[in-house]
Amino acid sequence: QVQLQESGPGLVKPSETLSLICTVSGGSISGYYWSWIRQPPGKGLEWIGQIYYSGKTDYNPSLKSRVTISVDTSKDQFSLKVTSVTAADTAVYYCARHSKTAWYAFDIWGLGAMVTVSS
Amino acid sequence: QSALTQPPSASGSPGQSVTISCTGTSSDVGGYNYVSWYQQHPGKAPKLMIYEVSKRPSGVPDRFSGSKSGITASLTVSELQAEDEADYYCTSHAGSYIYVFGTGTKVTVL
Repeated sequence: QVQLQESGPGLVKPSETLSLICTVSGGSISGYYWSWIRQPPGKGLEWIGQIYYSGKTDYNPSLKSRVTISVDTSKDQFSLKVTSVTAADTAVYYCARHSKTAWYAFDIWGLGAMVTVSS
Repeated sequence: QSALTQPPSASGSPGQSVTISCTGTSSDVGGYNYVSWYQQHPGKAPKLMIYEVSKRPSGVPDRFSGSKSGITASLTVSELQAEDEADYYCTSHAGSYIYVFGTGTKVTVL
């Protein structure tokens, strides 16, 4: 079955760029929308943005100026970059697949990657 | 886009029912039948429980049901079991390919 795995540095310094990769295994990245979602410690979920396998992107307006999501179909990977990070960007970052049958729902999630912003 | 409003907590005894509300606006919950609900156990990734307001994915017990009236969606968990103790989040499509999550509700089985 399809599995997602987030990877990237667990510690990022303030003002620098957070970079994460989500690798899709057991299936293809083609034909689907994919999202990044984050959860600060002890807090709720926040949708960051999405990408279609073709490269079309949509972002949360509150983060749009600092976020870039890209896709590499040859590697079945998509990535997240968040610039100018602060302590408020400390969170568990999840990648998730949009279902093709359950409209506007996320049916498969990665295990999550904890990213701490600290000097 | 503001987060959807959920009660911070809800509880019930085994065998009882608990209902969680999710209140948005006419631009999200009230404007689309694309509300979904997720269950999250501590330290785990969220799991899809309900989509399109009231539909259940394969494998989700029929004890979980969803509904919507106006700008408020609801998740009901019937015949509460110990394993239902978790955090629950609603989310809604909010137009222009945007999504908004709820504030989350911690369900306790007494």
